[in-house]
Amino acid sequence: EVQLVESGGGLVQPGGSLSLACVASTSAFSTFWMHWVRQAPGKGLVWVSHISDDGTTTAYADSVKGRFSISRDNAKNTLYLQMDSLRVEDTAVYYCASGLKWFGASFDYWGLGTLVTVSS
Amino acid sequence: QSVLTQPPSVSGAPGQRVAISCTGGSSNIGTSYEVHWYQQLPGTAPKLVIYGNRNRPSGVPDRFSGSRSGTSASLAITGLQADDEAIYYCQSYDSSLSAWVFGGGTKLTVL
Repeated sequence: EVQLVESGGGLVQPGGSLSLACVASTSAFSTFWMHWVRQAPGKGLVWVSHISDDGTTTAYADSVKGRFSISRDNAKNTLYLQMDSLRVEDTAVYYCASGLKWFGASFDYWGLGTLVTVSS
Repeated sequence: QSVLTQPPSVSGAPGQRVAISCTGGSSNIGTSYEVHWYQQLPGTAPKLVIYGNRNRPSGVPDRFSGSRSGTSASLAITGLQADDEAIYYCQSYDSSLSAWVFGGGTKLTVL
């Protein structure tokens, strides 16, 4: 079974930056499409960003486009999310999730999440 | 406002059957992109319980089943147990938005 562990969450002021990481327990990481999904307190799941297995293709939700950047290092089995110009409404638990290599695939494995709080 | 529409809540007594609906449109569930279902127990990460409209991952009991018809999908749980109490989310891909989309979630209460 694949294990995903997120880190990097914390408290940041509006307009600030934060970088999240997600480490996978398997070298099969390099074959997965990876995603970030967030959940605001008491709210539902919202897809944030995607990156292809080789890192050449990325996608973002409109709400984060131009502010967030997803990347990966397959040699380190690690996924990243660079979050800039943070807003209060970005406050959420951020989960990384893995899936097979196509748009219709499910999110098979999820990390435990890391909490990002944007507040002054 | 979620792209996929789910009822906010459903309930049932232990041993009963419940169904949770997920309604989309022609650019998501109505396409070739499949529907998946996740269970989120209180304070935990989501867990995949149905993939590809009707398939169960290893370890998910056969009390859980999924179906899809047209622009809608459904998750059914039979023989309700107390530990089924959770929030359930449907998910698909939307070709018009070029985005992965979730339903708003349905809270299942076991009476």
